[in-house]
Amino acid sequence: AQSVTQLGSHVSVSEGALVLLRCNYSSSVPPYLFWYVQYPNQGLQLLLKYTSAATLVKGINGFEAEFKKSETSFHLTKPSAHMSDAAEYFCAVSEGSGTYKYIFGTGTRLKVLA
Amino acid sequence: NAGVTQTPKFRVLKTGQSMTLLCAQDMNHEYMYWYRQDPGMGLRLIHYSVGEGTTAKGEVPDGYNVSRLKKQNFLLGLESAAPSQTSVYFCASSSGQGAYGYTFGSGTRLTVV
Repeated sequence: AQSVTQLGSHVSVSEGALVLLRCNYSSSVPPYLFWYVQYPNQGLQLLLKYTSAATLVKGINGFEAEFKKSETSFHLTKPSAHMSDAAEYFCAVSEGSGTYKYIFGTGTRLKVLA
Repeated sequence: NAGVTQTPKFRVLKTGQSMTLLCAQDMNHEYMYWYRQDPGMGLRLIHYSVGEGTTAKGEVPDGYNVSRLKKQNFLLGLESAAPSQTSVYFCASSSGQGAYGYTFGSGTRLTVV
């Protein structure tokens, strides 16, 4: 069965520092992978997705993620954190093109320190 | 550009009361979903629908029922609310399988006392 693990439920970075949020997945078939962001009291918004084209995926707000099959990872990065990046981030996986249900990780809350 | 609209946004219920949460989407999406979000547990799928008139159970369906009489609407019902159903409920929709991703509503915060 597919699963998603997000390492670190809380991550703190200084403004201007590198953001690295970790996501590992398990899937028996090539997956589709997603990162969503949730700002306080709002729904989830799609940041970026991997759909088997380029392994380095660029998303909104300067975020990007790299699919590494050998490490079964899809970590989210941003070179320079901004105060507005403070939010909760969720990694999700869909097992191939024939499924319509995604499995979500437990989320990582990002805090940006001034 | 409404997208996915959930009503109500907040609700407090007494144990044993019933209620219906409404989800409406204006994107002509075929697939719709109900999730609950609890601290430390991420999002868990309650029920989903792959088209008008169809529904299916997700990961945590007990205590909930759903209906999709119209393509644009997906209703989540609690027949007899329990404190364990205190949660934030999200509706989502998608145009297809696999790579499409979801569009989420803004959520309903439900407290059962």
